[in-house]
Amino acid sequence: AIRMTQSPSSFSASTGDRVTITCRASQGISSYLAWYQQKPGKAPKLLIYAASTLQSGVPSRFSGSGSGTDFTLTISCLQSEDFATYYCQQYYSYPRTFGPGTKVDIK
Amino acid sequence: QVQLQESGPGLVKPSQTLSLTCTVSGGSISSGGYYWSWIRQHPGKGLEWIGYIYYSGSTYYNPSLKSRVTISVDTSKNQFSLKLSSVTAADTAVYYCARARVVIAAVFDYWGQGTLVTVSS
Repeated sequence: AIRMTQSPSSFSASTGDRVTITCRASQGISSYLAWYQQKPGKAPKLLIYAASTLQSGVPSRFSGSGSGTDFTLTISCLQSEDFATYYCQQYYSYPRTFGPGTKVDIK
Repeated sequence: QVQLQESGPGLVKPSQTLSLTCTVSGGSISSGGYYWSWIRQHPGKGLEWIGYIYYSGSTYYNPSLKSRVTISVDTSKNQFSLKLSSVTAADTAVYYCARARVVIAAVFDYWGQGTLVTVSS
């Protein structure tokens, strides 16, 4: 199975900050990478797929980049509703695997 | 707007079989184009893909659970189901059903709200 790692595991930020989360795959996955946002007690929400394609309805302050093994999720100007946990997921091969998550909380 | 809703017992005894159903509304499972999925999340932990099924009945399972998992579909009821046998406390988790696209990107674009299943005697 492809192992996904994320860094950092958590951090604190302020509204208006530009934040970047990193995801790394244990082997190359081309651009078969998605990002999800999860708030406490809620299901994950798809933000980005194909490493950089924004899901319909997702604000443009979210962006993704990368290919191969290294990927990033960037939030250009953090809003209050963005405090959440973010997960990456590979869909290059089976089994589908997720990263351990990055929690973004309020500084 | 597609909606998914999990249902089933919230408490299962050790060694028994966990059974959950996901009811899909706002779209037909039999129209094709999507994998119908189960994903779980242990308390305070990350996400684990369990498996999925196509409307034709083709299934894909996580090898780590494959010996205990069965996913089935009932297109007449627009539902799909999960059975996980021989459960232990390690199977205590929130179980989500979700839809994954077959083409463009096999990512999970719609999710149910999740249901907590506790394994305890």
